[in-house]
Amino acid sequence: GAVVSQHPSRVICKSGTSVKIECRSLDFQATTMFWYRQFPKKSLMLMATSNEGSKATYEQGVEKDKFLINHASLTLSTLTVTSAHPEDSSFYICSARDPLAGVSDTQYFGPGTRLTVL
Amino acid sequence: DAKTTQPPSMDCAEGRAANLPCNHSTISGNEYVYWYRQIHSQGPQYIIHGLKNNETNEMASLIITEDRKSSTLILPHATLRDTAVYYCIVRVARSSGSARQLTFGSGTQLTVLP
Repeated sequence: GAVVSQHPSRVICKSGTSVKIECRSLDFQATTMFWYRQFPKKSLMLMATSNEGSKATYEQGVEKDKFLINHASLTLSTLTVTSAHPEDSSFYICSARDPLAGVSDTQYFGPGTRLTVL
Repeated sequence: DAKTTQPPSMDCAEGRAANLPCNHSTISGNEYVYWYRQIHSQGPQYIIHGLKNNETNEMASLIITEDRKSSTLILPHATLRDTAVYYCIVRVARSSGSARQLTFGSGTQLTVLP
């Protein structure tokens, strides 16, 4: 299947700093990527939909000025957590749909980024 | 997308078949059943999907009842590496247009025991 990568896999930062997470589709082009957040022992929750060449769409309750999303190319979306605080500590996961998947609409997920804010 | 119901947890002996049920009684005719799994501290992994007919791939088999109100994911010979949370998701699929996000429920924690 298609491959999605994320970088970094793990990051520890001090409170008040900003952290950038990259999501790349390695062998396909993705006009849309999704960013999810997962707290311990909880399910994945959608944060935002990243659209290449246009503004991201954020879910209710997700601050767009705090979680900046840039989808500058068909293979790269970035999520920047600005002025991070300990409550932002979580597992961040991106996904993308392979447009060649046809009617299956299968999505492929990155390995996730573990963010710890001290 | 139709709502799904899965048991919160199941155990399975290593080498035996793991049968994971999913109820989706409100499924509509154009909705597919998808299965993903998430191994601890990793991103979810696509397993299999189906519409009406039973499906099989290198990872698993998907059995969908004739009325499509429930399905079962079968891992024929479970290994310790199959320990994960398994998510059953029902949604309309489309080959064109913008992709849509997946909505994850609580899933089933499958523990494969040695």
